[in-house]
Amino acid sequence: SQWGEENLQALSIQEGEDVTMNCSYKTYTTVVHWYRQDSGRGPALIILIRSNEREKRSGRLRATLDTSSQSSSLSITAAQCEDTAVYFCATGQGGRALIFGTGTTVSVSP
Amino acid sequence: EAAVTQSPRSKVAVTGGKVTLSCHQTNNHDYMYWYRQDTGHGLRLIHYSYVADSTEKGDIPDGYKASRPSQENFSLILELASLSQTAVYFCASSPTGGENTLYFGAGTRLSVL
Repeated sequence: SQWGEENLQALSIQEGEDVTMNCSYKTYTTVVHWYRQDSGRGPALIILIRSNEREKRSGRLRATLDTSSQSSSLSITAAQCEDTAVYFCATGQGGRALIFGTGTTVSVSP
Repeated sequence: EAAVTQSPRSKVAVTGGKVTLSCHQTNNHDYMYWYRQDTGHGLRLIHYSYVADSTEKGDIPDGYKASRPSQENFSLILELASLSQTAVYFCASSPTGGENTLYFGAGTRLSVL
């Protein structure tokens, strides 16, 4: 399997709190994707971090990548109800297709 | 306007029957993919294609066939549907393979009874 430790399956938080989810991977990669999947829809890319970047920000999202430990994290600052979704990390494997983790379900309540 | 369109959005099939899931993209992408989503397994790659009239096996191809008659269209075929193939199926496209961004359709929910 591409993945080592499984992503944390589910996180429940309240609005305004910060949340971080992690994933680790076994095979060398040059980029880690983070996708968000809303209920009843397909996943959509929300942030992408490359191996020459330790941190990447986009609005309230922050992704990190540690190539030495082969792990990545996604943080959401001041979560809002509309951040409720399933979040997947994914990496490539040299010319074929992205391999996805099992996903983390984030539930944000008012 | 949806750039990757899947049909049908949901389907109920009988065990042993033939099922065809269709995907159409207007992204002008060379690569197209079929993934399967099951609870606890995330998304797993079934088949993919990088050019018309050619398909490649993914990680879980057993029990599935794929067809790419044109750059825009990619079908997934279950010749003999089984209970274990009940899942949500996603089609995606990308400009190139490997680590390129995927653009997904809305998915097809398949129930095999």
